[in-house]
Amino acid sequence: GAVVSQHPSWVICKSGTSVKIECRSLDFQATTMFWYRQFPKQSLMLMATSNEGSKATYEQGVEKDKFLINHASLTLSTLTVTSAHPEDSSFYICSARGGSESQPQHFGDGTRLSIL
Amino acid sequence: GQNIDQPTEMTATEGAIVQINCTYQTSGFNGLFWYQQHAGEAPTFLSYNVLDGLEEKGRFSSFLSRSKGYSYLLLKELQMKDSASYLCAVKDSNYQLIWGAGTKLIIKP
Repeated sequence: GAVVSQHPSWVICKSGTSVKIECRSLDFQATTMFWYRQFPKQSLMLMATSNEGSKATYEQGVEKDKFLINHASLTLSTLTVTSAHPEDSSFYICSARGGSESQPQHFGDGTRLSIL
Repeated sequence: GQNIDQPTEMTATEGAIVQINCTYQTSGFNGLFWYQQHAGEAPTFLSYNVLDGLEEKGRFSSFLSRSKGYSYLLLKELQMKDSASYLCAVKDSNYQLIWGAGTKLIIKP
């Protein structure tokens, strides 16, 4: 159980393109979803936390107009990187948590984003 | 400030036992998680400790001492596939998950 699906797994696109990444909880209802970014050989960096039906809470330094997050249902959250530039190239990972705060986060497989 | 410390890298031999330590200083405590992350992949959940003591799950065990702000992950009968980074994460009083930088474990034959 506790499967999280993330698509696409790999994106290569031109600078200025907007890219949408989907995160779905397949077998549980995710009351909270998280979006992380990870640069090579570095730790996970939390970008934002979203609860179903409400606006995402962004971490300090993360541009909310650049990284649009939608959590429209208990099983789906999307991250849209708008007008992506080469510095946005990174490994983006979503996670989902159901139930109480003591439940672990379950991660999607991640999306490797390369902006040319 | 909030801080989680774990060794950057450890090396162990196939078939042996290794202990990965994690110490934390956080504003409050609401549980500690261990995750495994293979290179280029997303983390996978290993264990959760909220009370003091040892939690055993197959070849992996996790220990917690809240008074010492200390946890360890114990891996027994090491296999080559255990080569990965191991992430320690603590939930603070606001239930925010604070992540350690991870310990890269290298298994040698």
